[in-house]
Amino acid sequence: QKEVEQNSGPLSVPEGAIASLNCTYSDRVSQSFFWYRQYSGKSPELIMSIYSNGDKEDGRFTAQLNKASQYVSLLIRDSQPSDSATYLCATEGTGNQFYFGTGTSLTVIP
Amino acid sequence: KAGVTQTPRYLIKTRGQQVTLSCSPISGHRSVSWYQQTPGQGLQFLFEYFSETQRNKGNFPGRFSGRQFSNSRSEMNVSTLELGDSALYLCASSSAGYDTDTQYFGPGTRLTVL
Repeated sequence: QKEVEQNSGPLSVPEGAIASLNCTYSDRVSQSFFWYRQYSGKSPELIMSIYSNGDKEDGRFTAQLNKASQYVSLLIRDSQPSDSATYLCATEGTGNQFYFGTGTSLTVIP
Repeated sequence: KAGVTQTPRYLIKTRGQQVTLSCSPISGHRSVSWYQQTPGQGLQFLFEYFSETQRNKGNFPGRFSGRQFSNSRSEMNVSTLELGDSALYLCASSSAGYDTDTQYFGPGTRLTVL
């Protein structure tokens, strides 16, 4: 079983809609969770980190964490064409080893 | 603060050759992790170095090795290259490495094996 699972998509949403990206993880001791955005041909860049149950908002982005269900999600409100990218979910395991999902490809249609 | 830098950005090698990739972390960061990214497998963890010691290792053959220097710069070496080693190699640095931390990625080295 993979450490981190993401719905691979691709996911398409119209401009201005809410995009919902989901991720589940298998390690119950994981405490830190991250969402990265990766444009085609570029390296991943950090969007959000979340460590506590509940919601964390940063501009148009909201991360949601439910440790009991081992589930973390990312909502993008008012989606823009510039949000079109692959979104990677990650969790930090033992020491400083990070586990990444395979990513969800998002396309925002103008 | 300057970001993570990786050199070279692009490499073309032939099967059987060896290659060395370099990564300079963000100033003050002591942990460097290496990843291989391919379209089918996503980001796969290779190894992590902290204070010149390999602390974690992923499930890759011994042809993949690395090291870290006293200034936290890290190198990764792949010997006896195979076609399947063609990938984007990313390094990421983080500061403390003990508790909750964030990894920041470099631009990557695109390796093509012919």
